[in-house]
Amino acid sequence: AQTVTQSQPEMSVQEAETVTLSCTYDTSENNYYLFWYKQPPSRQMILVIRQEAYKQQNATENRFSVNFQKAAKSFSLKISDSQLGDTAMYFCAFMKHSGGGGGADGLTFGKGTHLIIQP
Amino acid sequence: NAGVTQTPKFQVLKTGQSMTLQCAQDMNHEYMSWYRQDPGMGLRLIHYSVGAGITDQGEVPNGYNVSRSTTEDFPLRLLSAAPSQTSVYFCASSFFLGLVAGELFFGEGSRLTVL
Repeated sequence: AQTVTQSQPEMSVQEAETVTLSCTYDTSENNYYLFWYKQPPSRQMILVIRQEAYKQQNATENRFSVNFQKAAKSFSLKISDSQLGDTAMYFCAFMKHSGGGGGADGLTFGKGTHLIIQP
Repeated sequence: NAGVTQTPKFQVLKTGQSMTLQCAQDMNHEYMSWYRQDPGMGLRLIHYSVGAGITDQGEVPNGYNVSRSTTEDFPLRLLSAAPSQTSVYFCASSFFLGLVAGELFFGEGSRLTVL
């Protein structure tokens, strides 16, 4: 079974600062996906960024980037030039990729980090 | 462009009552799933389906039933609600070509309170 650990229950930074959210995971799988989801107060789960484990290059999406360290099983999210609209819960998630029906048993989520962007 | 639609968004039940949470998607996704979100617990998988007529259990299936008679719909049934089922429920879907295509699309969630 996989586990995902987010060690920061809450973080607070000033607008325009850079913030890094940490995530570690434990798995015996070699092929998998990693995700960061954002959940604003509206409750909608929004995909922020994803990383395929076989890709060495770190994924980036505008102000969001990841630092994927496969050997260390670490997958941190960096938000640059943070904005008030970035205030939300952020969840790190794992999905296995290999084998028949890979990923059908869904995402394994961390417990989340509540990020607050202060004006 | 509806995506994944869940109804109702809010529901209050008494212990022992039954109800169905509806989920519909218009993206022709083969894969559909139900999660529950509890404070401090993240999201946990209840049941999932990889196509019409096929369902399977996730991490926390007890107390819930599902069926998948069409590609579009994946209802979640609580046969006898218990206070432990107070939670926010999310439906999510994806393409499935032998494996989940790497991104789940979520509904807006349904908040259920069992008294």
